Amino acid sequence: ETGVTQSPTHLIKTRGQQVTLRCSSQSGHNTVSWYQQALGQGPQFIFQYYREEENGRGNFPPRFSGLQFPNYSSELNVNALELDDSALYLCASSLGSGRVRDEQFFGPGTRLTVL
Amino acid sequence: AQTVTQSQPEMSVQEAETVTLSCTYDTSENNYYLFWYKQPPSRQMILVIRQEAYKQQNATENRFSVNFQKAAKSFSLKISDSQLGDTAMYFCASTNRNSGGSNYKLTFGKGTLLTVNP
Repeated sequence: ETGVTQSPTHLIKTRGQQVTLRCSSQSGHNTVSWYQQALGQGPQFIFQYYREEENGRGNFPPRFSGLQFPNYSSELNVNALELDDSALYLCASSLGSGRVRDEQFFGPGTRLTVL
Repeated sequence: AQTVTQSQPEMSVQEAETVTLSCTYDTSENNYYLFWYKQPPSRQMILVIRQEAYKQQNATENRFSVNFQKAAKSFSLKISDSQLGDTAMYFCASTNRNSGGSNYKLTFGKGTLLTVNP
């Protein structure tokens, strides 16, 4: 059983550019959640994808968008990058049974730096 | 909005001693889970311990235990026999149903940086 993987590990972009981050979910999981962790802060929920559809969103602007593919891997896209988008981006996969007990398993994160 | 508060930005403890990290939360949900996650410098978020709100018995995992006070909405983590490898950021988190969605998200506190000194 493989765990949650994310790519790339690190990324440097300039303000105004666009970026795509990738996440492969754990085997058997159909739900992926994305979190943004600014330096010195706890992770903040961006959105969640369940069976290829967005399934809940946090307080993030529309320039943060995502996709989920038939194999349940997922992408996070950020357009018009701003300096404040510099953060660690974490994805987490879960069973998506709709039960509160579903544990979220985290990937190692992608460190995005916006200059 | 659901909130999780960790009032101790940093703590330190001597190796082999016991330390307690504090967390309070606010939720309007009837059933929920509470978690403590560890995030070492490698950045990987590792689940330390979980507690279901309906269970009165405090969860225990080896050297880690919690003190869950539901009425007070308090969820502290006790680490016994601290080891150098316990040095990390510790995050308290609660489950919350996604607004507009059918599953759950996690709401995290700001974290406590724990340093275990030799």
